[in-house]
Amino acid sequence: NAGVTQTPKFQVLKTGQSMTLQCAQDMNHEYMSWYRQDPGMGLRLIHYSVGAGITDQGEVPNGYNVSRSTTEDFPLRLLSAAPSQTSVYFCASSYLGREDGYTFGSGTRLTVV
Amino acid sequence: AQSVTQLDSQVPVFEEAPVELRCNYSSSVSVYLFWYVQYPNQGLQLLLKYLSGSTLVKSINGFEAEFNKSQTSFHLRKPSVHISDTAEYFCAVSERKTSYDKVIFGPGTSLSVIP
Repeated sequence: NAGVTQTPKFQVLKTGQSMTLQCAQDMNHEYMSWYRQDPGMGLRLIHYSVGAGITDQGEVPNGYNVSRSTTEDFPLRLLSAAPSQTSVYFCASSYLGREDGYTFGSGTRLTVV
Repeated sequence: AQSVTQLDSQVPVFEEAPVELRCNYSSSVSVYLFWYVQYPNQGLQLLLKYLSGSTLVKSINGFEAEFNKSQTSFHLRKPSVHISDTAEYFCAVSERKTSYDKVIFGPGTSLSVIP
């Protein structure tokens, strides 16, 4: 089925470890983004991309890196995990213009201990 | 800067009763408006959207929302809720000024349908 695939679904990290959250979409969407979801705060934008080779920061980019080498993939890297990065992470994609709304992945639940 | 307010963090309602989930936004330019639904342990799904034209928009599962420009609101309603409507609902706004501006999400409203 066409859509947005996120891996892993669950992850536990120790403080200071690094890891990459994977996101892939097969809908040829130009726009991809990463959000984190925390209780009572809704979704906050971390980074986004409007095409291969183009990325930009969102509302809460500190501690995260992204790259977009292909249209399909948009990995999110945690450089040195901190307990404050414990959250649920969602990848979303859309055609530019967003008139169709976003297609979301099923999320990655990350715990940093 | 645009922002989205959902005044009710939790809304309990009995099955078959009507429900309204409130959404207000602030923006100095024209906007697109969205409602997303998140079922437990899942990602968000688009429920309905307002882009232009008729201010009343409807989803396939009985929800509707009305865009009120003067009150800058986009409230979500359903005349009779079902147990399966239990979920988190997010209102979202995007400004029309560019083709790839970011979408701003509200904090969410948790709808609990009581049997």
